[in-house]
Amino acid sequence: AQSVTQLGSHVSVSEGALVLLRCNYSSSVPPYLFWYVQYPNQGLQLLLKYTSAATLVKGINGFEAEFKKSETSFHLTKPSAHMSDAAEYFCAVTRRGAGTALIFGKGTTLSVSS
Amino acid sequence: GAVVSQHPSRVICKSGTSVKIECRSLDFQATTMFWYRQFPKQSLMLMATSNEGSKATYEQGVEKDKFLINHASLTLSTLTVTSAHPEDSSFYICSAREGTESHEQYFGPGTRLTVT
Repeated sequence: AQSVTQLGSHVSVSEGALVLLRCNYSSSVPPYLFWYVQYPNQGLQLLLKYTSAATLVKGINGFEAEFKKSETSFHLTKPSAHMSDAAEYFCAVTRRGAGTALIFGKGTTLSVSS
Repeated sequence: GAVVSQHPSRVICKSGTSVKIECRSLDFQATTMFWYRQFPKQSLMLMATSNEGSKATYEQGVEKDKFLINHASLTLSTLTVTSAHPEDSSFYICSAREGTESHEQYFGPGTRLTVT
């Protein structure tokens, strides 16, 4: 079965610091991978996605992620954190054999301090 | 971009009553819609997958008689929580996929259900 593991349920950084949110997946076939952001009491907004093209994927708001097959990882990074980046971040993988139903990681809460 | 709406955004109902949540794709036709449930401080759990014009496919452990899903048109899916109980209180989020080739889902803003 496919699964997603997000290391670290809570990450705290200072404004201007590097943001690194970790995501590892398990899949016997090349997956499609996604990062979503969720603000309180809102739905999910797509940050970026990997769909078997370039392994370095650039998304919105300055975020990017690199697909590393050898490490089964898809970590999300941003060079310089902004206060508005504080939110919940979810990594997700498509589920094999079920169209595009997504399997989500448990999420990582990002806090940004001034 | 593709927009998905949900109505209502918040609903409070009494135990034993039923409540309907609507999910609409506003600017595209959604061949498939998904319903997720999210508990506080937790991830999204897929409840069911619905394809327009056919019965929904429920995930293991989800009661299909309690969570009725209807996908009658290419732009509308509804989730009805029947005989609601306080443990059904949660954040319900729908998503929609356009066409059969896309792997991207567009998420609605969610509905906060509170059962008293």
